[in-house]
Amino acid sequence: DAKTTQPPSMDCAEGRAANLPCNHSTISGNEYVYWYRQIHSQGPQYIIHGLKNNETNEMASLIITEDRKSSTLILPHATLRDTAVYYCIVRVAKDNAGNMLTFGGGTRLMVKP
Amino acid sequence: KAGVTQTPRYLIKTRGQQVTLSCSPISGHRSVSWYQQTPGQGLQFLFEYFSETQRNKGNFPGRFSGRQFSNSRSEMNVSTLELGDSALYLCASSLGLAGVVPQYFGPGTRLTVL
Repeated sequence: DAKTTQPPSMDCAEGRAANLPCNHSTISGNEYVYWYRQIHSQGPQYIIHGLKNNETNEMASLIITEDRKSSTLILPHATLRDTAVYYCIVRVAKDNAGNMLTFGGGTRLMVKP
Repeated sequence: KAGVTQTPRYLIKTRGQQVTLSCSPISGHRSVSWYQQTPGQGLQFLFEYFSETQRNKGNFPGRFSGRQFSNSRSEMNVSTLELGDSALYLCASSLGLAGVVPQYFGPGTRLTVL
C-alpha cells in the first residue's frame, strides 16, 4: 500500500472548518484513500473513503486532487468533540486483498474554544 | 445495528501468564482483524481472519495467535506474557476481503502486564 504523509499536529477554532491534508504521491490506480480518527484511548472511528471523486457524508467531506496524489479531509464546523488523531490511510482494493490497515502517525487535531 | 464488542475491556496479568481476548464483530461481518496499539509503536496489524481461516498476518512472534469461530466471533491469545505486551488490543470487523468497504473498530481491551 502507498505511504502517506500528514502534518503531526493542527489547531482549529471551534465552529470553523478543519482542513486536514494528506499526501499520497505514490498512490496507484486501485488504491482507495481512507480516513479514520481516534479519540483518546478509544478504538479508531471510520470517517470516510474515496477513490477519485470527492465524497461527502454526515461527518466530513473528502477532496481528492485530480492526480490523486493528495487529499484533504474537511470537517465543516469543528466542535471540541472533534479533537482527536486523524489518520489518512491508502489501501488497495481487489478481491481477497484483505483489510489490513497500515497506520502512520496521523495528525493530532486540537479544536480550541 | 450493534457495533463491534470486545471483552474484557481491562485486564491485568503478570509476566509469564497467558491471556485470551474476545471479539464479536458487527452482525453479518465475516472478516475480523486484530491490532496492537502502544505509545512507542503506534497501531500495528496483528492478523486477520475470514471464514475461520487466517488470511493475513503481521510481524509478531508466535506467542500471538488467534482463531475465528463459525459465527465469526474471534479470539486472540497471547502466551508467556512479557512487559512489552502491555497495550490496547483492538478488534475490527468488515463485510468481506476486497478492501473496498470500511473496517469498524471495537473499543479495545487494555492489557497491563506486571
